[in-house]
This record gives sequence, structure tokens and C-alpha cells, in this order.
Amino acid sequence: TQLLEQSPQFLSIQEGENLTVYCNSSSVFSSLQWYRQEPGEGPVLLVTVVTGGEVKKLKRLTFQFGDARKDSSLHITAAQPGDTGLYLCVRYPGDNLFFGTGTRLTVIP
Amino acid sequence: DSGVTQTPKHLITATGQRVTLRCSPRSGDLSVYWYQQSLDQGLQFLIQYYNGEERAKGNILERFSAQQFPDLHSELNLSSLELGDSALYFCASSRLDSGASEQYFGPGTRLTVT
Repeated sequence: TQLLEQSPQFLSIQEGENLTVYCNSSSVFSSLQWYRQEPGEGPVLLVTVVTGGEVKKLKRLTFQFGDARKDSSLHITAAQPGDTGLYLCVRYPGDNLFFGTGTRLTVIP
Repeated sequence: DSGVTQTPKHLITATGQRVTLRCSPRSGDLSVYWYQQSLDQGLQFLIQYYNGEERAKGNILERFSAQQFPDLHSELNLSSLELGDSALYFCASSRLDSGASEQYFGPGTRLTVT
């Protein structure tokens, strides 16, 4: 079984703080996506990273793909209550779409 | 609004019963994916259809089956329901048959088996 582990599992922070969540795999993957799922809704794609060492920015969110393409991180600067949700990483390729265990983030106003 | 619709939104049924969940993909999307999300298991991929044909299979139980119809809507059939089948069931669609293409998720169907 190919594991895709996310850490931390739960994170509760105050508005304005910075945070980083991680996604680690036991094997190399050619691309990875990050999704955010808000309570009561389906996941929404945030970003796709393909190249080892790649860094992508989406406003206050910075996504990094590890050089060895076995890990990825998501850094949020100055977190806001609207960032609250479940952050999921998804690995490709393969016929089996593989979601990580998720990090549940709560940003307290 | 992702453009993916799922019905019903909530479903409560008894053990041993059979239910059908329905999904309509975004206009123009040929791929439909089904996922199960439970509290202790995270988001589990069940099955994918592309243009009416089964494309990939994940952790789908034999009691579960799915199909995609010529108009591209899809149904997920769950039979001999057990308490452990209680979960959120999501449908997603994408334009291509590759899982690497962006998937648009529906709002989900919450199934409660009592």
C-alpha cells in the first residue's frame, strides 16, 4: 500500500499566524495536487505541482514540491478564518487516485 | 457552485437495504469519479467512468456498483447496506480521462444507515 501521510492531522491557530502543513509519500510521484474542503462541501482544487523543487504561490498560500518528489508542503501566511477547512493532498499518476489523510485547519478570529 | 449535481443530499435507510445515488457531471466533462468520505477513513476513491466505460477501480466493495449512462450522468448503487457504509459520498467530474486533470466535486450525498 502506498501511503500518503499528512501532518499535522489537526491544527488550530489564531488569525494572523503562519502555518505549514506537510504531505509525505513512501514513494516518488510525478505530480501532486492540493485541495481544500470546507465544511459541508466537496473539495476544491488549489494547485497542481509537477516538477521537483517547484514552488507555486496562490495569494497567501505557498506550495512546494520536494526535490525528490516524495513530499510537499503548504505554507499559509497570516491565516484568516476563511482558510478554515480540510486540506488534502492527492498523488498521481496511477489509476488509483490517492488522497492523503488530510489536515483539518481551524483559524480562530 | 462546481457545476456537478448530486441527489439526494441526505439519505437515511436501514441495514440490508439498497440505495442509488445519482450524479450529473459538469457540462462537457466525460469523466465521473465516485468517492467515499468517512470520519476515520478520509477520502477513498471508489471508481471512475469515462464516456460510459469503467476506467479505474479503487477500494470499491462488491456490494457497490456504478454505471455511467449515455447522457453521462452516473449512478452509484449500494446494496446490503451495513452500518459502516454510513458516510459522505462525493461525485467528481473532469474533462479528461486522466485523474491528473482537475476534478470538480459535487456537494455530496450524506448516507446514514441505521
